[in-house]
This record gives sequence, C-alpha cells and structure tokens, in this order.
Amino acid sequence: EVQLVESGGGLVQPGGSLRLSCAASGFTFSHSNINWVRQAPGKGLEWLSYISTTGSTIYYADSVRGRFTISRDNAKSSLYLQMNSLRAEDTAVYYCARVWDSSSYALDPWGQGTLVTVSS
Amino acid sequence: SYELTQPPSVSVSSGQTASIICSGDKLGDRYVCWYQQRPGQSPVLVIYQDNKRPSGIPERFSGSNSGNTATLTISGTQSIDEADYYCQAWDSDTIWVFGGGTKLTV
Repeated sequence: EVQLVESGGGLVQPGGSLRLSCAASGFTFSHSNINWVRQAPGKGLEWLSYISTTGSTIYYADSVRGRFTISRDNAKSSLYLQMNSLRAEDTAVYYCARVWDSSSYALDPWGQGTLVTVSS
Repeated sequence: SYELTQPPSVSVSSGQTASIICSGDKLGDRYVCWYQQRPGQSPVLVIYQDNKRPSGIPERFSGSNSGNTATLTISGTQSIDEADYYCQAWDSDTIWVFGGGTKLTV
C-alpha cells in the first residue's frame, strides 16, 4: 500500500521550533517529488514547500520562506520540515503529499496529517 | 500571484447532478486537479489533468476546463459525496495553487 505517515506535531510556544517527519512506504521514495501542505483549523489547503527527488530543487511559499526548511533522506524514505520562528498563524494540520502526475502536478497520496499548535 | 476562486458552498439533492466551479485567469491554459476531503480525513485526488479519474474514483466524477473556469461534476450524487472539494493548478510563480474550497451538501 502506498502510504505517507507524518509525525512530530505538537504544542509549541510562539517563536519556538519544531521538526516534522513524513515516512513513506509502498513506493520508490527516491523517485518521487514531495510537498508539504497545511490546513489551518476550519480553513482551506495552503501549499508550503516542494522538494525534488534529489533535493536539488526546492520551493517555498512566501508565508514560510526563511523560517521553514524542507529536506529529505532517501535512504530512510523520509521527508522533513524544520519549522523555526513559529507564529500563532502557523497553527494547522500539516500534510505531506507526493507529486503523482508530472503534467498536472496532482498530489497523491496525502498523509493523515500532524497537528501543530502554536500557543503560549 | 495566481489565484483560484471557488464558491463556499453548493447544495444538491441526492441523485441529482452537482457542479462545482473553479475560476482563475486563463485557467483553461493550465491543467486543473480536484480533491475531495471528507470531514476529519485527508484530501483525496478525484480528478487530474482536467478530466481524468485516478483508479478507484467512481465514474460519476468528471471534470472540464475551458476559458477561465474549471468544473467538477458529480452525477447521481450520493450522501457519501458530501465533503469539501478543492481545485488546484500550478503556476510558475505561486507554484501549487489551491482554491478556497467548496462545501458540498447533499
């Protein structure tokens, strides 16, 4: 079964840091481009970051550029998101999602998500 | 930055056809994908490349894209189709772009 499983979420104070992980299974992780997408409570989907198969190409949304860092370890079939200088508005469920179709940039599958709460 | 606009909500009677629109500047020049997100669950891809269905997605889901508007159509809508639906496109500046989402009530 093709699967992505996020972990590392939790409660953190404003200004703090957190590292999210995404473990892949059921497919060749090293051949897949991956994204992080988040969803604030009761809100829509917001794309955050993309990393190519080798990590040579990385993109960030303006809202997190300079604060968040995406990385991957193909040997461990894992994706990471280092989040620094966290703000209340970063409170959300964070999903990792594989780029499934290179023409339309469709994302599939998505992980179950991990909740990050930024609050004092 | 590129933006996609969706109506916040759409209502449909069971067994009828639901249409959810997604608008963006010259959207027809780009591929559009659609995701279904049931309450408390992760998004699921239901349409890619404007009108293609991934394996396992029922035939009642279809899509189109022309001009400034893409449309997700659900024929013979069932109660299990009640969910939030998001359109998505790709832009060289904004990268992955999502619409604000449409809550479908059956």
